[in-house]
Amino acid sequence: DAGITQSPRHKVTETGTPVTLRCHQTENHRYMYWYRQDPGHGLRLIHYSYGVKDTDKGEVSDGYSVSRSKTEDFLLTLESATSSQTSVYFCAISEGQGANYGYTFGSGTRLTVV
Amino acid sequence: GDSVTQMEGPVTLSEEAFLTINCTYTATGYPSLFWYVQYPGEGLQLLLKATKADDKGSNKGFEATYRKETTSFHLEKGSVQVSDSAVYFCALKSNTDKLIFGTGTRLQVFP
Repeated sequence: DAGITQSPRHKVTETGTPVTLRCHQTENHRYMYWYRQDPGHGLRLIHYSYGVKDTDKGEVSDGYSVSRSKTEDFLLTLESATSSQTSVYFCAISEGQGANYGYTFGSGTRLTVV
Repeated sequence: GDSVTQMEGPVTLSEEAFLTINCTYTATGYPSLFWYVQYPGEGLQLLLKATKADDKGSNKGFEATYRKETTSFHLEKGSVQVSDSAVYFCALKSNTDKLIFGTGTRLQVFP
């Protein structure tokens, strides 16, 4: 997907366990985003990053943290997974800021919390 | 705040039928508007975009016109194919620099 890879593609985990999802890009884009996709909600922004060690919260950030120690990697961590975090998670990258730039999305990670 | 409203799905059509998927938006300032498509098991792909009023975005036979007066960006295609079956998302991007999505509309095309 245009130089953006998410891992794992699928994961089943137990309630209360920590989980880390990885987004890796080879485009050297500065801007990276994590969304979750749920029926009836579309995509909702969890966290985003404007560069190494520069991250901020989106509209549904509770229960999630992120880290970006390298330009190419953006990690999403669920500190203690809950069933409400069962979802499909998408990472996106953008080469620029401003209204003219769209995003390129990864293929997603399907996470099930049991 | 900024928001996008899409028509509820699923939209079910026969092959070669005309497609319209409605999208309206609320935004401060002058947003750019996008349509993304998601095929089963895949991520979202940019289908088309328009960056200012009266612009028409087009790609793969799909079109959408940025109508500021009606705050709309409806997606149209003159003759759909089975391969167009997917979920379509309308989105806007304004001064916040974040893409804001509608809830998505599933299109099912039957032979």
